[in-house]
Amino acid sequence: EAGVAQSPRYKIIEKRQSVAFWCNPISGHATLYWYQQILGQGPKLLIQFQNNGVVDDSQLPKDRFSAERLKGVDSTLKIQPAKLEDSAVYLCASSTRGGPTDTQYFGPGTRLTVL
Amino acid sequence: AQSVSQHNHHVILSEAASLELGCNYSYGGTVNLFWYVQYPGQHLQLLLKYFSGDPLVKGIKGFEAEFIKSKFSFNLRKPSVQWSDTAEYFCAVNYMDTGRRALTFGSGTRLQVQP
Repeated sequence: EAGVAQSPRYKIIEKRQSVAFWCNPISGHATLYWYQQILGQGPKLLIQFQNNGVVDDSQLPKDRFSAERLKGVDSTLKIQPAKLEDSAVYLCASSTRGGPTDTQYFGPGTRLTVL
Repeated sequence: AQSVSQHNHHVILSEAASLELGCNYSYGGTVNLFWYVQYPGQHLQLLLKYFSGDPLVKGIKGFEAEFIKSKFSFNLRKPSVQWSDTAEYFCAVNYMDTGRRALTFGSGTRLQVQP
């Protein structure tokens, strides 16, 4: 079974530039999550989708971050404009239904460096 | 706000030593509890989870964890570690009563096992 795919794996940009990350979840998984993991911290949820609808975006900085999951499969996360503090690993995860006991399967992450 | 504490940030052990990593959560309501592991160069993956029943949970690779509700704790244990257990370990909690399905992660414990 193919895992969660993410691209790019690494990205270096200057502050105020824009960047986009892509995620392809495990086939058949209805729920998709984007997490931000700053160095030395655990992952923090940015947004959760159930199919193509947003379930939880309470911790997404909506002035600069946006995400979409068209057709309920792939998802993109965008930052515009980037700030120095956005330097982090962005993790995508998926689960079958998004239930409270579901296992979340994580992708390899995209390491973003903002200069 | 709900939080998860992992007090040991970096643990160094010799092979065959016993392991116990602490995890405490801040909320007194209904919770689901998880331990995830990230081996060097690999994705985050589930080690074990607890949501009901026997508070002693067994996971993969000989790991186990005990849920002690009165102490708000879910400590991870392994009787005899191997060099291949070198990894970063994250405790995560789903706070059921908030209605959110997102996981709240601790900051992680880096385990280094010396041969």
